Amino acid sequence: GAVVSQHPSRVICKSGTSVKIECRSLDFQATTMFWYRQFPKKSLMLMATSNEGSKATYEQGVEKDKFLINHASLTLSTLTVTSAHPEDSSFYICSARDGRVTETQYFGPGTRLLVL
Amino acid sequence: RKEVEQDPGPFNVPEGATVAFNCTYSNSASQSFFWYRQDCRKEPKLLMSVYSSGNEDGRFTAQLNRASQYISLLIRDSKLSDSATYLCVVIPYYGGATNKLIFGTGTLLAVQP
Repeated sequence: GAVVSQHPSRVICKSGTSVKIECRSLDFQATTMFWYRQFPKKSLMLMATSNEGSKATYEQGVEKDKFLINHASLTLSTLTVTSAHPEDSSFYICSARDGRVTETQYFGPGTRLLVL
Repeated sequence: RKEVEQDPGPFNVPEGATVAFNCTYSNSASQSFFWYRQDCRKEPKLLMSVYSSGNEDGRFTAQLNRASQYISLLIRDSKLSDSATYLCVVIPYYGGATNKLIFGTGTLLAVQP
């Protein structure tokens, strides 16, 4: 099956710093990537939809200036958490849609962010 | 009302048991339905799609009832390795934007030896 990687797998940072998370589709081109956040014992919540070459579409309640998304190529999308605070600590997961199979999404292994 | 609702469990069952999970969805125009499995501290992985005619994959059977807006997952002959959180996932239809996955909160299954 298709493979999606994320880097880093976990990160600990001080409050106020910015953290960049990369999502890569390794063996297919992903015109659309999705960014989710999952708090402990909660469901995955879609944060934004990232389309290659255009601006991301953010879900209601997600601050676009705080969560910067860049999808510059068909295999890479990045999420930058700017001025991170402890309440941003969460499990961030990306998924990529294989353009050949419109509904199938492949998930990355996730990034655990802990903001102190 | 949540778009996708599941009983969070936990469901504690002995090995070999049959267990069933249900999930309800609120958007009657929803197009596609899936069950995902998520192990602790891992990403979700697709278990199976759910079709109106029902579908079976080994010990797993999924059913869709559009009239009542619920989907189910049946696991027969439970194995220890089935212990995980099972996520009900729906692609709703909003009259334009599609292909967004909406996740339920998940049902935790613990299979006991």
